[in-house]
Amino acid sequence: EAQVTQNPRYLITVTGKKLTVTCSQNMNHEYMSWYRQDPGLGLRQIYYSMNVEVTDKGDVPEGYKVSRKEKRNFPLILESPSPNQTSLYFCASSFRGGVETQYFGPGTRLLVL
Amino acid sequence: EDQVTQSPEALRLQEGESSSLNCSYTVSGLRGLFWYRQDPGKGPEFLFTLYSAGEEKEKERLKATLTKKESFLHITAPKPEDSATYLCAVQASGGGTSYGKLTFGQGTILTVHP
Repeated sequence: EAQVTQNPRYLITVTGKKLTVTCSQNMNHEYMSWYRQDPGLGLRQIYYSMNVEVTDKGDVPEGYKVSRKEKRNFPLILESPSPNQTSLYFCASSFRGGVETQYFGPGTRLLVL
Repeated sequence: EDQVTQSPEALRLQEGESSSLNCSYTVSGLRGLFWYRQDPGKGPEFLFTLYSAGEEKEKERLKATLTKKESFLHITAPKPEDSATYLCAVQASGGGTSYGKLTFGQGTILTVHP
């Protein structure tokens, strides 16, 4: 089944403790992206990747890191999480980016205490 | 800076009561405008892509239209299963890798009562 998977789905952590949220797609997509969703603010793009080893900042990259070493994986790294990074995170992928359909993962709900 | 504003924030309809959702956008050259549906606790699901003013697309009870400043999602004779959050997003026409950037509106929460 074609899908985007994220792990973990739920995470509670404390301020300053480094964490990684994994994202994997099995559709051989070149483009992958991370978003955060907050009430009243909608989806905001954190980082995106047009292909392996190519990443670019979205609208809210501060406090996040990404890497794209393999085509199928695009992990989101929070080196020193803070409470304002408490949010619902979505990973998405598409064949080449641009105006092509993006397929979203199920989401990761993060609480930073 | 690209901006997308959706209205209303929330819309409550009776089953069968047709209505429209609005998505106003400001972008320096539009590459594409997207509509997504999001059910509670799930990731957004793609509905439509519109590329140029005057374009229309339909899917079951939904019809999306596009002008140079806004897009409408028309819902005809809605059913309770149409209840969801509807998201609009734009992609600007830019050079290099900038066309990977996507800007979303805050969404419209639609509730259809039986």
